[in-house]
Amino acid sequence: EAGVAQSPRYKIIEKRQSVAFWCNPISGHATLYWYQQILGQGPKLLIQFQNNGVVDDSQLPKDRFSAERLKGVDSTLKIQPAKLEDSAVYLCASSPGNQETQYFGPGTRLLVL
Amino acid sequence: GIQVEQSPPDLILQEGANSTLRCNFSDSVNNLQWFHQNPWGQLINLFYIPSGTKQNGRLSATTVATERYSLLYISSSQTTDSGVYFCAGSGGSNYKLTFGKGTLLTVNP
Repeated sequence: EAGVAQSPRYKIIEKRQSVAFWCNPISGHATLYWYQQILGQGPKLLIQFQNNGVVDDSQLPKDRFSAERLKGVDSTLKIQPAKLEDSAVYLCASSPGNQETQYFGPGTRLLVL
Repeated sequence: GIQVEQSPPDLILQEGANSTLRCNFSDSVNNLQWFHQNPWGQLINLFYIPSGTKQNGRLSATTVATERYSLLYISSSQTTDSGVYFCAGSGGSNYKLTFGKGTLLTVNP
């Protein structure tokens, strides 16, 4: 069974530029998560989808971050414009449903200069 | 959401030693998971354990939901066990997993 795929693996941009990350969850998983992990901390949930509907986006900085999950499969996370403090690893995870084991992708390392 | 505290923050072991990692949470949980983040950053799910005891090889976990804590046991540690161990939980109608700050484990040969 293929795991969670993410791209790109690394991205370096200058502040005020925009960037987008892509995630393909495990086949058949209804729930998809985007986390932000700053160096030395645990992951923080940004947004959770159940199929193509949003379950929780309370910690998503909506003035600059947006996410979508079209057709309930792949998802994209966008940052526009980026700030220095957005430098982090962005992790995508999926699970068969809410409150079940989460499986993580390899992450995208973002550096904002 | 709930608060999750992990201890110890750092742990250094010699290969072959046993260890216990602890996770305390501030409220009742209906979802409790342990993860290992290897030195390359990959997060691997170890256990889904909102209550009870589970074992997987040299690793086992116990969650005592009524006392709001969970323990992860690592026996006969190997250098490949090095990395950060995270506990994460959620409770009530809030599905959002809250992660602790992690325990950084270093196993020396």
